[in-house]
Amino acid sequence: GENVEQHPSTLSVQEGDSAVIKCTYSDSASNYFPWYKQELGKGPQLIIDIRSNVGEKKDQRIAVTLNKTAKHFSLHITETQPEDSAVYFCAASKMDNDMRFGAGTRLTVKP
Amino acid sequence: EPEVTQTPSHQVTQMGQEVILRCVPISNHLYFYWYRQILGQKVEFLVSFYNNEISEKSEIFDDQFSVERPDGSNFTLKIRSTKLEDSAMYFCASREGTGQETQYFGPGTRLLVL
Repeated sequence: GENVEQHPSTLSVQEGDSAVIKCTYSDSASNYFPWYKQELGKGPQLIIDIRSNVGEKKDQRIAVTLNKTAKHFSLHITETQPEDSAVYFCAASKMDNDMRFGAGTRLTVKP
Repeated sequence: EPEVTQTPSHQVTQMGQEVILRCVPISNHLYFYWYRQILGQKVEFLVSFYNNEISEKSEIFDDQFSVERPDGSNFTLKIRSTKLEDSAMYFCASREGTGQETQYFGPGTRLLVL
């Protein structure tokens, strides 16, 4: 089955700096890669996703890149703000199949 | 904006008891999921449900667990004979349909087994 690895497990940045979180996946048939943000005591909230026919997607300060050949994808957050502090999970799935999550990255943005 | 809701938000039970966790998926969604997150760990897939039957389940989802869609709105997870290690956050998620991969998560139920 699919195995998703995520790094780093913790990341601390200064406000205004960029943050990058990386994930790799094992199943070359996976074609959908969402990123979720989880704040304390809440469920995961989708922040951005990318499909396998796209190499990069951007939404304001958030971008995701996908390298299908290498089977890795990354989340980039620019101009970080304290409210970006949360746990971020990457995930991978195949069409109509179920998602497998990475272990999560705890991002802390220091004011 | 439509959202997935879950009840209760917290549940405390004694070991060996049965619990039922409830979810109301987004109304026009067809695919439903349960996930588990042990404190400080990753979100783990338990089971997916479509067309009134289980479509996929993980190795975690053994005979102790069952799911049901008793009516047109609720989606439940039953855990029989709870164990200490069942203590976790349980998230329900739903997805609109084929070709729409995005899963929307509920706020979770925190289950504590004593």
